[in-house]
Amino acid sequence: GAGVSQSPRYKVAKRGQDVALRCDPISGHVSLFWYQQALGQGPEFLTYFQNEAQLDKSGLPSDRFFAERPEGSVSTLKIQRTQQEDSAVYLCASSLGTGGGQPQHFGDGTRLSIL
Amino acid sequence: AQSVAQPEDQVNVAEGNPLTVKCTYSVSGNPYLFWYVQYPNRGLQFLLKYITGDNLVKGSYGFEAEFNKSQTSFHLKKPSALVSDSALYFCAVKAGGSYIPTFGRGTSLIVHP
Repeated sequence: GAGVSQSPRYKVAKRGQDVALRCDPISGHVSLFWYQQALGQGPEFLTYFQNEAQLDKSGLPSDRFFAERPEGSVSTLKIQRTQQEDSAVYLCASSLGTGGGQPQHFGDGTRLSIL
Repeated sequence: AQSVAQPEDQVNVAEGNPLTVKCTYSVSGNPYLFWYVQYPNRGLQFLLKYITGDNLVKGSYGFEAEFNKSQTSFHLKKPSALVSDSALYFCAVKAGGSYIPTFGRGTSLIVHP
């Protein structure tokens, strides 16, 4: 079956531009996570949705970062007025339920480069 | 608070030899522990997890991991390494009441022919 799909795979933007990153989770998955992965590092948590509700956004680095999941399926991560330090791979993951033992299914990420 | 340590940035092993990738954790209460693998330009793939029960858990591609509560460790093992096992490996921990896992920095496994 289809896995988690992220688009675009690569995004180059000039400093100060706004970008939008899309995540299509596995159909029926309740939980959706966004992570930021710097080169040579593990994924760092950004935000968590349970259906359409954003239950935790404590990892968003600044108010320039905004995420939504209006219908409880597709999610968009938006970064306004991008800065060079925003350059990273942004990973989306989904899981079937909300239980602690659920493994996450990851997309292949969007590699964002800010010039 | 929860945290994970992967003390080795890189592990080198010859094909056919056993491999171990180390992970220690810190968490309040009972831990949920996970191992994931990441190939270049790809997302993380789930390998195995420990929730409760037997301390030795078996996962995908012949990997297994041993939960050791007294040493707060969850080392990943495989009896016979393949060149195709070369990748980045991430350990993750989640406290029982948390939705959010914490990932380690990753260990690069290199299997030499």
